[in-house]
Amino acid sequence: QQKVQQSPESLSVPEGGMASLNCTSSDRNFQYFWWYRQHSGEGPKALMSIFSDGDKKEGRFTAHLNKASLHVSLHIRDSQPSDSALYFCAASAANYNVLYFGSGTKLTVEP
Amino acid sequence: GALVYQYPRRTICKSGTSMRMECQAVGFQATSVAWYRQSPQKTFELIALSTVNSAIKYEQNFTQEKFPISHPNLSFSSMTVLNAYLEDRGLYLCGAREQGGTEVFFGKGTRLTVV
Repeated sequence: QQKVQQSPESLSVPEGGMASLNCTSSDRNFQYFWWYRQHSGEGPKALMSIFSDGDKKEGRFTAHLNKASLHVSLHIRDSQPSDSALYFCAASAANYNVLYFGSGTKLTVEP
Repeated sequence: GALVYQYPRRTICKSGTSMRMECQAVGFQATSVAWYRQSPQKTFELIALSTVNSAIKYEQNFTQEKFPISHPNLSFSSMTVLNAYLEDRGLYLCGAREQGGTEVFFGKGTRLTVV
């Protein structure tokens, strides 16, 4: 069922630093991507979606999608301790279809 | 805003018994509801997708006989774990989306422990 691969498994960055997360779909039908964040004891919450080639910026978060390689990345600039959480990449075959999740990246931002 | 509530938040059941969990959407119409299980290692497994007025679609390795789902209206869904065993433990998450919407809203999950 592993249609989405995510890396790294864990990542530690200093406060104020840049965190970069990666995700690839192994199924060419999956071209719609989301990034979700999950804090301990909570359900996942959508951070942002990206459906078109190129960059999409929302505040400190920038997502980049390369549809040819089905690779999507998430960059968090000026990382804060409150950004420490599990980050999941999710993909679907259409923008209203069911989501398949990657294995997650545990991000730790050290004060 | 759109919210999804799941209950119970935690439950413990004896091996071989069954447990029902519920999912309620508030502030939007949950046209489709997907049930996931998040393992202790934090990986997600899609169990099934339910769309109101359509057949429920189960993923490979999950069956209606083991995980019966009800989705009677646009605000409520429930799933039962029948004959629960150790391998069924995990956090069961409900993700709901309204028709034409792109975002899936998740509840906080029901954590199932089997003893």
